Amino acid sequence: GESVGLHLPTLSVQEGDNSIINCAYSNSASDYFIWYKQESGKGPQFIIDIRSNMDKRQGQRVTVLLNKTVKHLSLQIAATQPGDSAVYFCAENAHGGTSYGKLTFGQGTILTVHP
Amino acid sequence: DAGVTQSPTHLIKTRGQQVTLRCSPKSGHDTVSWYQQALGQGPQFIFQYYEEEERQRGNFPDRFSGHQYPNYSSELNVNALLLGDSALYLCASSLGQGVNQPQHFGDGTRLSIL
Repeated sequence: GESVGLHLPTLSVQEGDNSIINCAYSNSASDYFIWYKQESGKGPQFIIDIRSNMDKRQGQRVTVLLNKTVKHLSLQIAATQPGDSAVYFCAENAHGGTSYGKLTFGQGTILTVHP
Repeated sequence: DAGVTQSPTHLIKTRGQQVTLRCSPKSGHDTVSWYQQALGQGPQFIFQYYEEEERQRGNFPDRFSGHQYPNYSSELNVNALLLGDSALYLCASSLGQGVNQPQHFGDGTRLSIL
């Protein structure tokens, strides 16, 4: 069945370091991927997305890399700040068949940034 | 520009009762999806409404139903509540069923079943 999972459930970094959060997905039909940040008591906040016809996409301090060969997704955060501390989820969508419009989320990675 | 708004923020019910949760999508969005998030887990897709019809459904029983109004706002109804229905219920809106478009989430309704 479809699933999106994360390699590491927790990640602790020092302020100013770069952070890398990884995600593995199993549905080879997935063609659209999103990273969300969820702070305590809040809903998931959109960070960045990428389509399957791309390998890399950059935003402000964030970069998403997609490796379709091994079905792996990563989120890189440059110069991590204490405000980046949150749970990070990757989500995938396959725009075909019965999955149309449905996001499948991984379990999440807790990022803790130490000042 | 208002984002996705949900009401109420918290709700306490007892087993067997019924509940209605409400969602107003982000301005300009026409599609509403509902998710259930248990503590410590990622959100699980319940269903999606577009053009006032349920378009996609996740693995949830018929006790979970919904509605979308002409102004795109939506409701999630849960009947015969079970203890296991305790969770954060998230509403997400998007444009055109979210085809290569991100879904934007509200802050959810925390539902506790006693």
